[in-house]
Amino acid sequence: DGGITQSPKYLFRKEGQNVTLSCEQNLNHDAMYWYRQDPGQGLRLIYYSQIVNDFQKGDIAEGYSVSREKKESFPLTVTSAQKNPTAFYLCASSMGENSNTEAFFGQGTRLTVV
Amino acid sequence: GEDVEQSLFLSVREGDSSVINCTYTDSSSTYLYWYKQEPGAGLQLLTYIFSNMDMKQDQRLTVLLNKKDKHLSLRIADTQTGDSAIYFCAEMDSSYKLIFGSGTRLLVRP
Repeated sequence: DGGITQSPKYLFRKEGQNVTLSCEQNLNHDAMYWYRQDPGQGLRLIYYSQIVNDFQKGDIAEGYSVSREKKESFPLTVTSAQKNPTAFYLCASSMGENSNTEAFFGQGTRLTVV
Repeated sequence: GEDVEQSLFLSVREGDSSVINCTYTDSSSTYLYWYKQEPGAGLQLLTYIFSNMDMKQDQRLTVLLNKKDKHLSLRIADTQTGDSAIYFCAEMDSSYKLIFGSGTRLLVRP
C-alpha cells in the first residue's frame, strides 16, 4: 500500500527531553512537510523539504530540527528549547516540482509533554 | 507574507448545501486544496484545483476559484451528518510551500 506513515500515534515525554517523531512515505514524493496543530487552530508550518539533503524553515521552526537523509524519511525532533511542545503534529508529502502536486497527510502524532 | 483566511464556523441542516469560503493573498499560487479533518485524525485531501481553472466538480463537491479576487469556495451538495468536520483551505505557492487556513468547522444538524 502506498502512503505516508507517522509513528507513534501518541507520545508522552518529560519536560526537558528531546523527542523524535517519525514520518515515512513510499509514494516517491520529493517534498515533505511538518505541521503543528493546536486545539481549535489551523496548521502551522514547522519545516519543509523539497529534495533530499535540503530543508527550509517554516513559520515556527524555533525549538525544532529535521533531517532529510533519505527521500522516504523526514524525522522531526522536538528539542527542549521548544517552549510549548504539546500539540498534534502532522507530516505531509507531495511530488513537489513535478506536475501532480497533491499533498497527502499522515494520521498525525499527538505529543504530550508532562 | 502569505496568508490564507477562512471563517471559523458553519452550521447547516442535513440535506442543504454547504458553502465554505477561503481567501488567500499569494498571487503566485499554483494549486489550491480543500482538506477534511475528522476529530483526532490527519487531514484527508478532498479535492484540489489548479490556479488556471475556475471550477472543478467532483460528485457532491464543487470548487470555485476567483483568481482576480483570490477567493476559493467549496460547495457540498446534499450535506450529510458524516460531512461534519473541519475543512481546511490550503494553497501551494511558487516555491511549493503549503500554506493553510485556520479551518472551518462544519456542523450538520439533523
